[in-house]
Amino acid sequence: NAGVMQNPRHLVRRRGQEARLRCSPMKGHSHVYWYRQLPEEGLKFMVYLQKENIIDESGMPKERFSAEFPKEGPSILRIQQVVRGDSAAYFCASSRVHGTNEKLFFGSGTQLSVL
Amino acid sequence: DAKTTQPTSMDCAEGRAANLPCNHSTISGNEYVYWYRQIHSQGPQYIIHGLKNNETNEMASLIITEDRKSSTLILPHATLRDTAVYYCIVRLTQGGSEKLVFGKGTKLTVNP
Repeated sequence: NAGVMQNPRHLVRRRGQEARLRCSPMKGHSHVYWYRQLPEEGLKFMVYLQKENIIDESGMPKERFSAEFPKEGPSILRIQQVVRGDSAAYFCASSRVHGTNEKLFFGSGTQLSVL
Repeated sequence: DAKTTQPTSMDCAEGRAANLPCNHSTISGNEYVYWYRQIHSQGPQYIIHGLKNNETNEMASLIITEDRKSSTLILPHATLRDTAVYYCIVRLTQGGSEKLVFGKGTKLTVNP
């Protein structure tokens, strides 16, 4: 049973370009969480999605960032017009169902570098 | 904001038990305590979680005090590969969202 798959592993973008980060949850998991980790800092929650729904986007920056989790296919975190401050590691996690007794499993992350 | 307090760093000798404390004095009755760790820049790895009873799995043991205001993660025989940042997290429900809120964690260094 494959774990949470994130790709690409490393992504380099120039300022002003768009970045698309993909996350395929574990098989049977329908809940996805995105986190961002700036250099030398802790993980910050960004957004929580279920299939086709955004449940909690309280950690998403108001502009340029969006996330989706379509009925078919991976979850996508999209960053438009990237700036150097967007350089960070972006982690995705998934869980099987809703509930505080349900473990989250994390992927290996995407390291975004903005030149 | 994280609801937990952990020491910034700890050291442990290889082969000895590592005991990592965590305070969560404002925890509510239905909130679980989770432990994750992050080795270097890898994705966080689940270790263990519990509500009120002590828990044990192949990785670690979790001891939760009777009043649930604090807990201790025990790695029974620490190895060099256990060097990581360990996060104690109280998982709460806020408006239907049950995200994990990470604090700063404890940087555990296992020494040979």
